[in-house]
Amino acid sequence: DARVTQTPRDKVTEMGQEVTMRCQPILGHNTVFWYRQTMMQGLELLAYFRNRAPLDDSGMPKDRFSAEMPDATLATLKIQPSEPRDSAVYFCASGSTSGRTNEQFFGPGTRLTVL
Amino acid sequence: EDQVTQSPEALRLQEGESSSLNCSYTVSGLRGLFWYRQDPGKGPEFLFTLYSAGEEKEKERLKATLTKKESFLHITAPKPEDSATYLCAVQADGSGNTGKLIFGQGTTLQVKP
Repeated sequence: DARVTQTPRDKVTEMGQEVTMRCQPILGHNTVFWYRQTMMQGLELLAYFRNRAPLDDSGMPKDRFSAEMPDATLATLKIQPSEPRDSAVYFCASGSTSGRTNEQFFGPGTRLTVL
Repeated sequence: EDQVTQSPEALRLQEGESSSLNCSYTVSGLRGLFWYRQDPGKGPEFLFTLYSAGEEKEKERLKATLTKKESFLHITAPKPEDSATYLCAVQADGSGNTGKLIFGQGTTLQVKP
């Protein structure tokens, strides 16, 4: 049963600390997306990759957020320094561009709380 | 600008009371429309993809339909376990082959026994 995995599932940290979230996409998928979900804003697209290359990261604050794909099995999202307004659930999703359309499959999310 | 609007924001039904959720979209060209289900504390779960007007897909008590401007998710004789947030998303032609989706805000469905 292929699934997207994310770690950690929950993270509580102090303001100013660095936070790193990890995602393992489904094997064979060539696109990876990072989303942030809050009650107020819903699902916001932060960044996405195709074949490990970043396509668009305009959805995230450049001064504190960074997203990378060091290899095909790992995507990371870093926040440095973290702020209370970053508190949200962060989802990773993966998909394939080989088909007619590109369904995305989501991981369980990382719930981030910045105190 | 490509946009997706879902209504209502929240819906309460009695078990067995059928209803529909609406997803209206404005895109330059539709490559695909997607429905997801999200349970509290979990990631969105893929349900359906619709490609063109007139298409329908079914899964258990759910049926998704598509017109040129909107999609409906019909829920027939719902059960309490159908309670969740239902998300609609579109992929526009302008997204090229990136797989980028535009999500609506979701409809939160509560089915009471």
